[in-house]
Amino acid sequence: SQKIEQNSEALNIQEGKTATLTCNYTNYSPAYLQWYRQDPGRGPVFLLLIRENEKEKRKERLKVTFDTTLKQSLFHITASQPADSATYLCALGMDSSYKLIFGSGTRLLVRP
Amino acid sequence: DTGVSQDPRHKITKRGQNVTFRCDPISEHNRLYWYRQTLGQGPEFLTYFQNEAQLEKSRLLSDRFSAERPKGSFSTLEIQRTEQGDSAMYLCAGSTGASSYEQYFGPGTRLTVT
Repeated sequence: SQKIEQNSEALNIQEGKTATLTCNYTNYSPAYLQWYRQDPGRGPVFLLLIRENEKEKRKERLKVTFDTTLKQSLFHITASQPADSATYLCALGMDSSYKLIFGSGTRLLVRP
Repeated sequence: DTGVSQDPRHKITKRGQNVTFRCDPISEHNRLYWYRQTLGQGPEFLTYFQNEAQLEKSRLLSDRFSAERPKGSFSTLEIQRTEQGDSAMYLCAGSTGASSYEQYFGPGTRLTVT
């Protein structure tokens, strides 16, 4: 069956450390993968997109990798801050459709 | 602020009633999407429009759900004969251009069916 897995347990880290979040998928062949941030009671906010032929993308303190062999994406936030505390969602996109298929998200807590 | 607005923000209704939600994207959003999200889960795709054409609808979507985008601008999502299982956050998103895949979400409408 098709699955997208993100750590269901919250990730709790100290301010200044690097947060690494994982997104694994099964029985999908995505053309691209996106990461979104979601705060409680609000809609997701787009962060980064990486295509299947790209290994790594960076934007300020954010870095995402995409390994189509392992069927995995890693999302890194360097020099984390308490303001980075939120739920982070990965989403797969296919060539055949513009819709996104979301994982269930990982909650990140950054302690001051 | 993504520029996508949704109305109402909250809706409480009794089982069996019909409800309608509205989404107003920005003018550049030629594609418009509806998702549903329950607590602890990611958004689940419902349907999307390219301008006024409804191009895809989830196979999981009950026929009690219908969506329109009559002039390619705002969109409405109607749920008929609501059930308690319809309680969720309903999210609308817009995107632009043929090769632009990122989506810009509104704040959502939280529906509670009692």
